[in-house]
Amino acid sequence: AQTVTQSQPEMSVQEAETVTLSCTYDTSESNYYLFWYKQPPSRQMILVIRQEAYKQQNATENRFSVNFQKAAKSFSLKISDSQLGDTAMYFCAFMNPGTYKYIFGTGTRLKVLA
Amino acid sequence: NAGVTQTPKFQVLKTGQSMTLQCAQDMNHEYMSWYRQDPGMGLRLIHYSVGAGITDQGEVPNGYNVSRSTTEDFPLRLLSAAPSQTSVYFCASSYTGDRGYEQYFGPGTRLTVT
Repeated sequence: AQTVTQSQPEMSVQEAETVTLSCTYDTSESNYYLFWYKQPPSRQMILVIRQEAYKQQNATENRFSVNFQKAAKSFSLKISDSQLGDTAMYFCAFMNPGTYKYIFGTGTRLKVLA
Repeated sequence: NAGVTQTPKFQVLKTGQSMTLQCAQDMNHEYMSWYRQDPGMGLRLIHYSVGAGITDQGEVPNGYNVSRSTTEDFPLRLLSAAPSQTSVYFCASSYTGDRGYEQYFGPGTRLTVT
């Protein structure tokens, strides 16, 4: 069975600094998708970034980028130039397109400090 | 487009009562899912559907029923509410297009069972 582990329950970062959130996963599949979702205090889940396992190039979306290490089964999220609006819970997720099941990690609560 | 809508936003039930959480999407997405979110546990998959008339169990299906008679609607039924079902419930939809399984989430329903 697939699992997703986020080992950092809480983190904080100064405004304008860079922070990296960790995520590891376990699977025997070769084709899958990985996601980072953000949940601000409003509770709305928002996609931050997506990575397809067969693509070696790391995904980037503006200030957000990932370090995808397929052999190590690691998928970390880097937030550059942190902003107060980045304060949120961040969830890492794994999806197997063969089963359509999503598995979420337990989340990392990030606080950006002014 | 309204996206994914959920009703109600809040609900209080007594133990043993039944109710249906409504979920609808207007994006013609094939896939729909129900999750529950509990503190420290991330999002856990309850049931999912890969198309009208097709549903399957997720990680925590006990005590819940679903059906998918149309592409748009995916209601979640609590058969006999228990305090352990106190949680925030999210519905999500996605498709296999250019967005590669990105899930669109509803705003959530906070359910309290007393």
